[in-house]
Amino acid sequence: DQQVKQNSPSLSVQEGRISILNCDYTNSMFDYFLWYKKYPAEGPTFLISISSIKDKNEDGRFTVFLNKSAKHLSLHIVPSQPGDSAVYFCAGTNNAGNMLTFGGGTRLMVKP
Amino acid sequence: DAGVIQSPRHEVTEMGQEVTLRCKPISGHNSLFWYRQTMMRGLELLIYFNNNVPIDDSGMPEDRFSAKMPNASFSTLKIQPSEPRDSAVYFCASTRDGYGYTFGSGTRLTVV
Repeated sequence: DQQVKQNSPSLSVQEGRISILNCDYTNSMFDYFLWYKKYPAEGPTFLISISSIKDKNEDGRFTVFLNKSAKHLSLHIVPSQPGDSAVYFCAGTNNAGNMLTFGGGTRLMVKP
Repeated sequence: DAGVIQSPRHEVTEMGQEVTLRCKPISGHNSLFWYRQTMMRGLELLIYFNNNVPIDDSGMPEDRFSAKMPNASFSTLKIQPSEPRDSAVYFCASTRDGYGYTFGSGTRLTVV
């Protein structure tokens, strides 16, 4: 039973346009969500997070939106850059960071 | 800070052989996690330790897998005997009280 799902295994976007990566979860006990970015041959690195008491968190070109009623979150990258090409994982947790449950990842390709 | 250090980076072994993966967490971190990344399942948690004690090993796939953390600066994940379906990238991550979740660069295991 996958508690966190990323239904799009890949996404291709033109440089300068918006990238929207989606994530759905089933565990209503999650109270904190994170996005990680992974380049080939490297470990995932933290990108941005959001607490369940918020519906939006913004950091530069990256914004995460949370819709608790729909159990859905999304990551918006605008404008997209070729260096954003990577695999993006979303994760949920119910205790502020321990034991993250990850989705399957979405491979983003930003074309110049 | 050297970050989370994993060794080896790559391991190729024959089916039936014992494989040991190693992890050195960030100094001062008190939780350590072992994850496995596959195309089918994304990033799945295998086991995590808090203060060197295994807290949740429900993700360990079979008795062939075992993990130890003899002290705060070292952990091993052992597979004995290894099988081709164990081929994946294995990541170690560490945190301090749930913060600063940091991944190592991973060990790519190939069992032939």
